[in-house]
Amino acid sequence: QQQVKQSPQSLIVQKGGISIINCAYENTAFDYFPWYQQFPGKGPALLIAIRPDVSEKKEGRFTISFNKSAKQFSLHIMDSQPGDSATYFCAASRAFGNEKLTFGTGTRLTIIP
Amino acid sequence: ETGVTQTPRHLVMGMTNKKSLKCEQHLGHNAMYWYKQSAKKPLELMFVYSLEERVENNSVPSRFSPECPNSSHLFLHLHTLQPEDSALYLCASSQVRGLAGGLYEQYFGPGTRLTVT
Repeated sequence: QQQVKQSPQSLIVQKGGISIINCAYENTAFDYFPWYQQFPGKGPALLIAIRPDVSEKKEGRFTISFNKSAKQFSLHIMDSQPGDSATYFCAASRAFGNEKLTFGTGTRLTIIP
Repeated sequence: ETGVTQTPRHLVMGMTNKKSLKCEQHLGHNAMYWYKQSAKKPLELMFVYSLEERVENNSVPSRFSPECPNSSHLFLHLHTLQPEDSALYLCASSQVRGLAGGLYEQYFGPGTRLTVT
């Protein structure tokens, strides 16, 4: 019940295209869903996060879409750029009173010219 | 220094060695975490310290021993490790608001790449 399943494991997208990474969770108590971005040699950094009271959150070229009934959420990167090449992790937790994040396995995104 | 720093960045140790990893956060947070990151696996939470008390120990072998002397510093003491312990060890910190509410964000350090020979 604590698992977060992430796909695909790796993704190659042409510059200017849309990158889409999907995650599914099982624990219905989860109500905080962040995405982390990790560059080689660096730790993960929070990119964008969503609570289930909204179905979509947009920050610049990054959008989280959330489907509560399906227990799925996804990250969309519009107009993908070579600088977006990194590993992306979805995560889930309870927002209140619980410090534990459950992470997906990560998606290595490569943006090609 | 800003954010979360970790030292050393790289460590090679034999199975009989004893070494320590150090983490320091400059964000004024009150919770700190150790994670293990292995290839093609989710980040594994190892230990959580909240307000300097250990609140989580995810069945981590005793060859890993955490220490949190204050809210800004976190150590991971290593002894008699196994080759399968080779991984990237990440430290993170956050401001835990507790049951009173509020979202938290975890800020990660750059990690220590550990190789056990």
